[in-house]
Amino acid sequence: AQKITQTQPGMFVQEKEAVTLDCTYDTSDPSYGLFWYKQPSSGEMIFLIYQGSYDQQNATEGRYSLNFQKARKSANLVISASQLGDSAMYFCAMREAMDSNYQLIWGAGTKLIIKP
Amino acid sequence: DVKVTQSSRYLVKRTGEKVFLECVQDMDHENMFWYRQDPGLGLRLIYFSYDVKMKEKGDIPEGYSVSREKKERFSLILESASTNQTSMYLCASSLGSFGANVLTFGAGSRLTVL
Repeated sequence: AQKITQTQPGMFVQEKEAVTLDCTYDTSDPSYGLFWYKQPSSGEMIFLIYQGSYDQQNATEGRYSLNFQKARKSANLVISASQLGDSAMYFCAMREAMDSNYQLIWGAGTKLIIKP
Repeated sequence: DVKVTQSSRYLVKRTGEKVFLECVQDMDHENMFWYRQDPGLGLRLIYFSYDVKMKEKGDIPEGYSVSREKKERFSLILESASTNQTSMYLCASSLGSFGANVLTFGAGSRLTVL
């Protein structure tokens, strides 16, 4: 079974609009962390934002925020006021404390294209 | 600025050739990783290393080996390249283990095996 599901293979969004990228996860571990990475066409994966399972508040980093709904097991990335430079692949990933190697489990990614 | 450098951005090799992908980090990170990235499959872990001369298999180690003789360098080796190893290979490093320890990635090496 997929542990990280990103249901949107691709999205087109008008510049300056807000964007929500979906991510649902599956774990029985009460302690876990959720990550979002951006991969522009240049190839380098760039860390965007992190949410711990015990964090009381939703994480925010500049224009990025994470809509963390623990009961629904969702961790959607919200980008406010999108820019052309936001066009990229976006990956959601999870790390479980139960995993003795603490490895990241990755979603398949969402390709976001911002239209001018 | 922290950096992970992969020696080759693009490689074209023939079936059966031995291929070396080199990765160097300058952040004194303990952990280093090799991932393979294919469209629709996300990132899949090939091997990782928590220390010099130490290696652990990831999810898809078959057909690959690794070497970590120095802390800053982690090499991925394809002993006999095959066409199904055509892919993007990403190297990453991190400090520590759990928590919010973030992976820092290199720019990737796109390998084509003919």
